[in-house]
Amino acid sequence: DAGITQSPRHKVTETGTPVTLRCHQTENHRYMYWYRQDPGHGLRLIHYSYGVKDTDKGEVSDGYSVSRSKTEDFLLTLESATSSQTSVYFCAISEPSGGETQYFGPGTRLLVL
Amino acid sequence: ELKVEQNPLFLSMQEGKNYTIYCNYSTTSDRLYWYRQDPGKSLESLFVLLSNGAVKQEGRLMASLDTKARLSTLHITAAVHDLSATYFCAVGGGSNYKLTFGKGTLLTVNP
Repeated sequence: DAGITQSPRHKVTETGTPVTLRCHQTENHRYMYWYRQDPGHGLRLIHYSYGVKDTDKGEVSDGYSVSRSKTEDFLLTLESATSSQTSVYFCAISEPSGGETQYFGPGTRLLVL
Repeated sequence: ELKVEQNPLFLSMQEGKNYTIYCNYSTTSDRLYWYRQDPGKSLESLFVLLSNGAVKQEGRLMASLDTKARLSTLHITAAVHDLSATYFCAVGGGSNYKLTFGKGTLLTVNP
């Protein structure tokens, strides 16, 4: 299994509170991605990174920001959590030389009350 | 904008039967990925299809890619209960190796 961890694995928070989710990899992969998974929507890309300090928006980026100061860590911040951001969040990594397959972390279940 | 459609979205089948899940996509791509997700778990890579006519098989699952028709299929042969899961197709070829996912097919195999 690809060495990807996410923390926390579960979180309950209140509306208006900032929340940061962490993705950590030990594979030295260049690309990292944050997705959210909601019933009926599949996986939707929030933000991604193509290198240290290089990030860009995905299709559902409003209300989220990211940072990547080291190859191994990719942080997702909900600036002011809303109930619509209740979801399961997955981090993924890929390396083009490895066939471009994305490998997924275990996920973080977030409940915003 | 790339759109990926899977069908059916829900599939209930009996053990021992065969069935096919379809994945259609809207723009040209020769990179197609299949994933499996068990309830409450993460996504596991099943197949990577990187050219027209590519076919991959693993146990009772076989995936194929027709880039001209913009169609991939996941064929299930003689289903068993352990295959119950949600199956996602994802289309690549975008910038920065991004993937666009279908909504998933929830497969339930009944005894």
